[in-house]
Amino acid sequence: GENVEQHPSTLSVQEGDSAVIKCTYSDSASNYFPWYKQELGKGPQLIIDIRSNVGEKKDQRIAVTLNKTAKHFSLHITETQPEDSAVYFCAASSNNAGNMLTFGGGTRLMVKP
Amino acid sequence: ETGVTQSPTHLIKTRGQQVTLRCSSQSGHNTVSWYQQALGQGPQFIFQYYREEENGRGNFPPRFSGLQFPNYSSELNVNALELDDSALYLCASSPSLSAGELFFGEGSRLTVL
Repeated sequence: GENVEQHPSTLSVQEGDSAVIKCTYSDSASNYFPWYKQELGKGPQLIIDIRSNVGEKKDQRIAVTLNKTAKHFSLHITETQPEDSAVYFCAASSNNAGNMLTFGGGTRLMVKP
Repeated sequence: ETGVTQSPTHLIKTRGQQVTLRCSSQSGHNTVSWYQQALGQGPQFIFQYYREEENGRGNFPPRFSGLQFPNYSSELNVNALELDDSALYLCASSPSLSAGELFFGEGSRLTVL
């Protein structure tokens, strides 16, 4: 089955700096890659996703890149703000939709004011 | 529009007991998934229901079972509880099987003593 590895497990940045989180996946059939943000005491919330027919996608301060050949994808957050502090999860699925996701282990992002 | 709601929010059981967790999906959503999230880890897919039928299952034993009702609400049942079943159980709904975004509830925190 699919295995998703995520790095780093913790990341501390200064407000205004950029943050990058990286994930690798094992199943070449995976074609949908979402990123979820989980705040304390809440369920995960989708922040951006990308499908395998696209190499990059951007939404304001957030961008995701996908390298299918190398089987890795990354989340980039620019101009970080304290409210970006949370746990971020990457995930993958092979049905081109958000079904039966395999999640990475998570990255705790701390943005220091 | 009401989001995904789960009950109970917290519960404590002893080893060997049985537990039922409940989930009301977001209005208009016909697909419900359940995930188990151990402390400090990413969510793990348990199973998915679409129009009252189990549509996919992760690597969980048969003592994990579920139901989806005509109004698309759902239950997760776990028999013969083990200590390792202690986790946050997350329910997520989506408007269709082809949808990308999952809408998560805040979870039910189960502690098995």
